[in-house]
Amino acid sequence: QKEVEQNSGPLSVPEGAIASLNCTYSDRGSQSFFWYRQYSGKSPELIMSIYSNGDKEDGRFTAQLNKASQYVSLLIRDSQPSDSATYLCAPKGNTGFQKLVFGTGTRLLVSP
Amino acid sequence: DAMVIQNPRYQVTQFGKPVTLSCSQTLNHNVMYWYQQKSSQAPKLLFHYYDKDFNNEADTPDNFQSRRPNTSFCFLDIRSPGLGDAAMYLCATSRDLRSYEQYFGPGTRLTVT
Repeated sequence: QKEVEQNSGPLSVPEGAIASLNCTYSDRGSQSFFWYRQYSGKSPELIMSIYSNGDKEDGRFTAQLNKASQYVSLLIRDSQPSDSATYLCAPKGNTGFQKLVFGTGTRLLVSP
Repeated sequence: DAMVIQNPRYQVTQFGKPVTLSCSQTLNHNVMYWYQQKSSQAPKLLFHYYDKDFNNEADTPDNFQSRRPNTSFCFLDIRSPGLGDAAMYLCATSRDLRSYEQYFGPGTRLTVT
């Protein structure tokens, strides 16, 4: 079992729709969860972080965390073509040095 | 603006010819990381420095070395690049080891001919 699993996609949504990106992880010790956006040929950019169960909203982005189910998701409302990118999920432990463990990412395509 | 800078952005080297990639940061962060990312794969941590303390990942090949002469700069040395080392190399920083956020540089795309 991979440490972090994401559907590679592509996930295709029309402009204005809600995009839902999902991630499961195997390490129950993970306490912090990050979503990075990576445009083709570019480096990852942190867009959301979540530490507690429930929802966290930031503009058009909502992160959802369920530690019991070891599941974290990212919702993008009113999707725009500029949101087309690969979204990487990265859990992190909370004791000592715990490295980020990235998933392979979900490629999102938003069509005009 | 505080940032992470990587040079060069694109590097072409020959099979077996040593190459050095550089990273600098103006964030004054204590931790610097090097990741390798191959096409359609997740970034893979190679090693990190906490201040001057070097920490190698267990599965990082011996062919990869790193130097951090001061807080601002960190170098990745590939002693004898193979075709399989062609990848994007990403430098990242964080304030300390327990910091929640890592800040990435733009990356260096390495081609091995």
